[in-house]
Amino acid sequence: GAGVSQSPRYKVAKRGQDVALRCDPISGHVSLFWYQQALGQGPEFLTYFQNEAQLDKSGLPSDRFFAERPEGSVSTLKIQRTQQEDSAVYLCASSKGTQGTDTQYFGPGTRLTVL
Amino acid sequence: GQQVMQIPQYQHVQEGEDFTTYCNSSTTLSNIQWYKQRPGGHPVFLIQLVKSGEVKKQKRLTFQFGEAKKNSSLHITATQTTDVGTYFCAERFNAGKSTFGDGTTLTVKP
Repeated sequence: GAGVSQSPRYKVAKRGQDVALRCDPISGHVSLFWYQQALGQGPEFLTYFQNEAQLDKSGLPSDRFFAERPEGSVSTLKIQRTQQEDSAVYLCASSKGTQGTDTQYFGPGTRLTVL
Repeated sequence: GQQVMQIPQYQHVQEGEDFTTYCNSSTTLSNIQWYKQRPGGHPVFLIQLVKSGEVKKQKRLTFQFGEAKKNSSLHITATQTTDVGTYFCAERFNAGKSTFGDGTTLTVKP
């Protein structure tokens, strides 16, 4: 079946604008993760959902970042009042179950550039 | 901050040469995962190691988990141009987040 999809693939925002990034996980996958990847670095954890429940949001850098997954499938990461330091690739990943051994499948990412 | 450190940051090899990247932690790891990210691509899961001293092979790739579970390595035998990319190690916490290293970027000269 189809993999994880993300939209838009590229987003340019002016400083201060709000943005919304969408993630469509693999159908039936219970777990969903958001990561932020700065240039030349590894992905940094932002938040984790199990179905519609947000079980861990410890990685969200500030209260400008908000994520939701209201029906336990599609997820949206919203960034309010974007700043230049928010420029990065935002990766979404999903896994079938809730075990630590379940493989995380990553989407292609959304590259956000804040001017 | 990062819990896993990777060395080297970059590695340039001639096609056919071997390549090794190392992942180190100051604390005991519950597991270690390895991912490959092609240029412009997204991380793709390669393998997970859980047991002390574990060794797993995938064709030309050999993965090791140290006896003390504080380090791991990925070794590629006879590199090919298709091996180009950045290799990340990560620790997975139960069913939640993974903490990634900053990766080793491999370039292969044909």
